Amino acid sequence: RKEVEQDPGPFNVPEGATVAFNCTYSNSASQSFFWYRQDCRKEPKLLMSVYSSGNEDGRFSAQLNRASQYISLLIRDSKLSDSATYLCVVNSGGYQKVTFGTGTKLQVIP
Amino acid sequence: NAGVTQTPKFRVLKTGQSMTLLCAQDMNHEYMYWYRQDPGMGLRLIHYSVGEGTTAKGEVPDGYNVSRLKKQNFLLGLESAAPSQTSVYFCASKREGLAGELFFGEGSRLTVL
Repeated sequence: RKEVEQDPGPFNVPEGATVAFNCTYSNSASQSFFWYRQDCRKEPKLLMSVYSSGNEDGRFSAQLNRASQYISLLIRDSKLSDSATYLCVVNSGGYQKVTFGTGTKLQVIP
Repeated sequence: NAGVTQTPKFRVLKTGQSMTLLCAQDMNHEYMYWYRQDPGMGLRLIHYSVGEGTTAKGEVPDGYNVSRLKKQNFLLGLESAAPSQTSVYFCASKREGLAGELFFGEGSRLTVL
């Protein structure tokens, strides 16, 4: 089983739709969680951290479920500019234990 | 503020040639990393450094060497390039601690023929 698993997609959604991605992780000792965004042929950039209490940033919100070992990302009112690959990132402790999922591709259609 | 800068951005090598990728960061970060990204594989850690003069192996270190002689620079070397090393290489840096954000360079696209 991979340490971090994501559905690769692609998710093709119309503008204005709400879309949700899940990511599962295998190490129950994982300590911190993030979502990164990567545009085509660009470097990954931090979208948001994920906290146990959940967090929200505008149209984006993220949740952590430690019992089931998954994190989720919700995008409301999708924009064309949201088209990208979304990477789930899990830190299992220590500076080297940062594991990236393979990413979920989102395509927002006009 | 340049952040993390990688050079070169593109390179084509022949099998057996050597080369060095340079990563420079101006954020005074302690930790630096080299990743490679291949289709369907996600980002995989090659080597990392937790401070000047220190380096350590990551998930896929074979065929690569690194050096961190200065805090702001992290070099990735390929002594004898192989076609399996064709990839996009990303350097990243972060401050100490679990919660810090990883800042990435723009990537270096390497093709080994």
